[in-house]
Amino acid sequence: DSGVTQTPKHLITATGQRVTLRCSPRSGDLSVYWYQQSLDQGLQFLIQYYNGEERAKGNILERFSAQQFPDLHSELNLSSLELGDSALYFCASSREARQLYGYTFGSGTRLTVV
Amino acid sequence: TQLLEQSPQFLSIQEGENLTVYCNSSSVFSSLQWYRQEPGEGPVLLVTVVTGGEVKKLKRLTFQFGDARKDSSLHITAAQPGDTGLYLCAGPRPGNTPLVFGKGTRLSVIA
Repeated sequence: DSGVTQTPKHLITATGQRVTLRCSPRSGDLSVYWYQQSLDQGLQFLIQYYNGEERAKGNILERFSAQQFPDLHSELNLSSLELGDSALYFCASSREARQLYGYTFGSGTRLTVV
Repeated sequence: TQLLEQSPQFLSIQEGENLTVYCNSSSVFSSLQWYRQEPGEGPVLLVTVVTGGEVKKLKRLTFQFGDARKDSSLHITAAQPGDTGLYLCAGPRPGNTPLVFGKGTRLSVIA
């Protein structure tokens, strides 16, 4: 158990639908990162939050949004889902915003859009 | 274009063999990290290298950061089936931005 909790572990939904992925960071970590992993693209950075505020944005589609709540858990909302959104979505956390000490990853949510 | 290129993409070896995997970039990185990912799990941090030319050892794993801080290698001695997994290198872009990852080397060690 890495200390980063992601739910649900698996999600199957239809095209056009909206889903919410949830992440609880490791205790004491203020920074949360969302990544998308697919076989052809590898791990792609989506968005980072630090202590409740958006800190950095990567290749995140306009159909996707995220937020970090006062208790530091984070949610990634994916809407108007397309087949190509099928992927593994990982949340990671770190104690601060600096990258030097690495990230702790959750076990991921496998999203299948049918 | 991938900022971090990893090679080989796939590697299948017998238990007891040695191997080296590579992580290369045309850009300079302030640090590089190596992660291992097993099926159904998230990546797990193995090591961070910071200084050009640095060598770090973790049991049978040896990590090296290139002198110019543009490349890194991971050498495994006497590979074991438990070493099987996806090995990822990652580093921050300039300005302390979140980590960018290579696509990884998928290693399979056969008993």
